[in-house]
Amino acid sequence: NAGVTQTPKFQVLKTGQSMTLQCAQDMNHEYMSWYRQDPGMGLRLIHYSVGAGITDQGEVPNGYNVSRSTTEDFPLRLLSAAPSQTSVYFCASSWGLNTGELFFGEGSRLTVL
Amino acid sequence: KNEVEQSPQNLTAQEGEFITINCSYSVGISALHWLQQHPGGGIVSLFMLSSGKKKHGRLIATINIQEKHSSLHITASHPRDSAVYICAVRDQGAQKLVFGQGTRLTINP
Repeated sequence: NAGVTQTPKFQVLKTGQSMTLQCAQDMNHEYMSWYRQDPGMGLRLIHYSVGAGITDQGEVPNGYNVSRSTTEDFPLRLLSAAPSQTSVYFCASSWGLNTGELFFGEGSRLTVL
Repeated sequence: KNEVEQSPQNLTAQEGEFITINCSYSVGISALHWLQQHPGGGIVSLFMLSSGKKKHGRLIATINIQEKHSSLHITASHPRDSAVYICAVRDQGAQKLVFGQGTRLTINP
């Protein structure tokens, strides 16, 4: 049972480049979400999904796109990377926010030069 | 003012001590989560609470909905408990969590 698989673990981008952070879970969870973690800021929600075909914005969605074509996958796309997007990104999934624990991926450390 | 406030921000204790970490929130919630993040980054869910108290091994979590307050207790603390502990709440009616900034716990042998 792999849980939540997040790739890549590390990435360096130049300003203006695009990339996709991959997130996959094998627990048939309906709820999936992306967070960024910055020093002194705590975790902040970027986008979330409550099921295949349904996505919504969190606190800090600008510069990021998501899609949820299957229950298993929830990729996060950076359209045109900026230095302000340098951060550690976490994907998480659960049955639902009131019904079970959250399972997190291992994190992706992104540096934008 | 942050919706979720944790205290203390940093805590250093000796092995064996009883540890308490507090979380206060300002909104009506439907659930509260306690998470643990070890150095190196991985985040693990410890508890999800909507009322009362839960216990798992040496960890105990309580919540008082009326006072909008939760505590995480660690009994017989051990150096392997050294980590950042994070409180997160689900706003009523919202499909998202709001996180506290975390409490960095260091247990010295």
